[in-house]
Amino acid sequence: GAVVSQHPSRVICKSGTSVKIECRSLDFQATTMFWYRQFPKQSLMLMATSNEGSKATYEQGVEKDKFLINHASLTLSTLTVTSAHPEDSSFYICSAWDFQNEQFFGPGTRLTVL
Amino acid sequence: DAKTTQPPSMDCAEGRAANLPCNHSTISGNEYVYWYRQIHSQGPQYIIHGLKNNETNEMASLIITEDRKSSTLILPHATLRDTAVYYCIVRVTGGGNKLTFGTGTQLKVEL
Repeated sequence: GAVVSQHPSRVICKSGTSVKIECRSLDFQATTMFWYRQFPKQSLMLMATSNEGSKATYEQGVEKDKFLINHASLTLSTLTVTSAHPEDSSFYICSAWDFQNEQFFGPGTRLTVL
Repeated sequence: DAKTTQPPSMDCAEGRAANLPCNHSTISGNEYVYWYRQIHSQGPQYIIHGLKNNETNEMASLIITEDRKSSTLILPHATLRDTAVYYCIVRVTGGGNKLTFGTGTQLKVEL
C-alpha cells in the first residue's frame, strides 16, 4: 500500500515556542491531506483538511491561527503549532487518500510541550 | 456520515478467528464500510473496505449483512500482533472525504 511519512516522530519543546510537523506522501500525489489529534486513551479527532494550493479547512473549535497548515505541493503538508502550551501536548497524525480510494495514515508525531 | 456502534473491547485466543462486529443501521446506499486498526502509539492502518459484497484481502475478511445495517471484520488466525483498537467507519466514497473515528473496539489477543 501507499506510504505516508511524518517528521519528526517525537518532539519536545518549551512553552511559547513554535513546532513544525511535516507530512509526506512518498509514492503517490495527494491533493488533500488530513490532520488529526489524539489525546491519551481517546480516539482520533480531525483538526483540519489540507488542500494543495489553497487554504485549509478547519473543524469547529480548532484555532486556525494557532495550528497553521500549509500544503505547498502534492506530496507535502505541514502543520505548525504556534506558541505551543502544555495543553497542546498530543499525538498528531496526518493522512491522505490514494488513487485506489484507500486512506493511509502517517506514523504520528508525539508532541510534548514543557 | 452514518454513525457506527462497536463493542468497547474483545478478547481472542491466539490462532483463533477474531470476529469484530459493527452496527451501522443508518447507513446510506452510497456509503462504504471501512475498517482501520491502530496499534498503540502508531498511526491507523487501513484494513479493508466494502459496499455490499463480502470482501477479502491478505489481512482480513469483511462480511456485510444483506440489509447493510451491520458488518463483521474477521481476522482468520489472530496473532499477538493483532492486538489493537479496531475502528469501523462508514463514509461516502470519493476523493477528499474525511473520516470520522468513533471509539472503536480494543481487541486483545492472548496466548
